[in-house]
Amino acid sequence: DSGVTQTPKHLITATGQRVTLRCSPRSGDLSVYWYQQSLDQGLQFLIQYYNGEERAKGNILERFSAQQFPDLHSELNLSSLELGDSALYFCASSVRTVGSGANVLTFGAGSRLTVL
Amino acid sequence: GENVEQHPSTLSVQEGDSAVIKCTYSDSASNYFPWYKQELGKGPQLIIDIRSNVGEKKDQRIAVTLNKTAKHFSLHITETQPEDSAVYFCAASKSGGYSTLTFGKGTMLLVSP
Repeated sequence: DSGVTQTPKHLITATGQRVTLRCSPRSGDLSVYWYQQSLDQGLQFLIQYYNGEERAKGNILERFSAQQFPDLHSELNLSSLELGDSALYFCASSVRTVGSGANVLTFGAGSRLTVL
Repeated sequence: GENVEQHPSTLSVQEGDSAVIKCTYSDSASNYFPWYKQELGKGPQLIIDIRSNVGEKKDQRIAVTLNKTAKHFSLHITETQPEDSAVYFCAASKSGGYSTLTFGKGTMLLVSP
């Protein structure tokens, strides 16, 4: 157990629907990252939050949004789902202070999304 | 932005052999290079990392080397065991600020008994 908790583990839904993926970071970690993993694209960075604020954005579609709450858990919202959104979605967390050294990411077990 | 290329995409070895996975990166400002191992049904797990102030780091059967001039780094696994079978990812990032990790596309390592 890495200490990063993701729910649900598996999710099957239909095109056009909306889903929410949840992540609880490891105790003491302030930063949360979301990654999408598909077979042909590897691990693609989506978005990062630090202590409730968005800090970096990657290849995140406009149909996707995320937020980090005061208790530091994060949610990734995926809307108007398409077949191509089927993937593993990973959350990772790290201890993060401004000016600190390189971040060490701890990953959760992922949420597998299947869009039919 | 940073681009990380990783090869080979698949690697099959016999138990006891060595395995080498290579990565190149594009951003000369990158100075942190971790390697992650992902087993089936699990999230990636950090196995070793190296920072740009060192050229090599070892941890038991695993070693990583870094050549900043050529912008490439490698993972070496000696005396491979079946439990080493997994997908391995290299990554690169800058330190400080809110830099993020850019990952290679992964190498599936299969160790046959």
